[in-house]
Amino acid sequence: DTAVSQTPKYLVTQMGNDKSIKCEQNLGHDTMYWYKQDSKKFLKIMFSYNNKELIINETVPNRFSPKSPDKAHLNLHINSLELGDSAVYFCASNAVGGLGTDTQYFGPGTRLTVL
Amino acid sequence: AQSVTQPDIHITVSEGASLELRCNYSYGATPYLFWYVQSPGQGLQLLLKYFSGDTLVQGIKGFEAEFKRSQSSFNLRKPSVHWSDAAEYFCAVGNQAGTALIFGKGTTLSVSS
Repeated sequence: DTAVSQTPKYLVTQMGNDKSIKCEQNLGHDTMYWYKQDSKKFLKIMFSYNNKELIINETVPNRFSPKSPDKAHLNLHINSLELGDSAVYFCASNAVGGLGTDTQYFGPGTRLTVL
Repeated sequence: AQSVTQPDIHITVSEGASLELRCNYSYGATPYLFWYVQSPGQGLQLLLKYFSGDTLVQGIKGFEAEFKRSQSSFNLRKPSVHWSDAAEYFCAVGNQAGTALIFGKGTTLSVSS
């Protein structure tokens, strides 16, 4: 069973469209993240949720809105897509507290291409 | 400022040769250190991690890393590289609170035959 899954794996869309990326983890973790990997492969945190509550919200355009319906899911909705949004988006999760529980497990990534 | 530096953007080693990838960090709290590997078109796989205790940690695929607090370093090593090790390697730092990881910019490893 896949621990952290994302859908879709690839997403190609036109500028100005609205799209969503879904993430699910079956590890029982209570914290989930979205990272963005740019064209130079640099990874940077976007958002973090703990038990459905927003914890981290980095300097990200408000066109990006995370939503966590329950602690196993963290979706990313992007409005009015721009060329610069083209990137690979990674979801991750971890349990918090206690030795060894802080390892983040990553999903396979979603490659978003905005034309 | 909290940061991770991987000084080598690209390294090429011969198959069977030893490997060392450098990582230096700047972090205000007690660091939790990680090495992840990303194969082309794939996600991130954890190679190893250091939280506390023995400063030499063993990971998967024959990798090891040594934490040196005095040098703020966490270098990754492998005694004999295989062609399948060609990938992107990321060093990252976090803390016990489970906050977001801060990644280095990665080192691309190429393996020549």
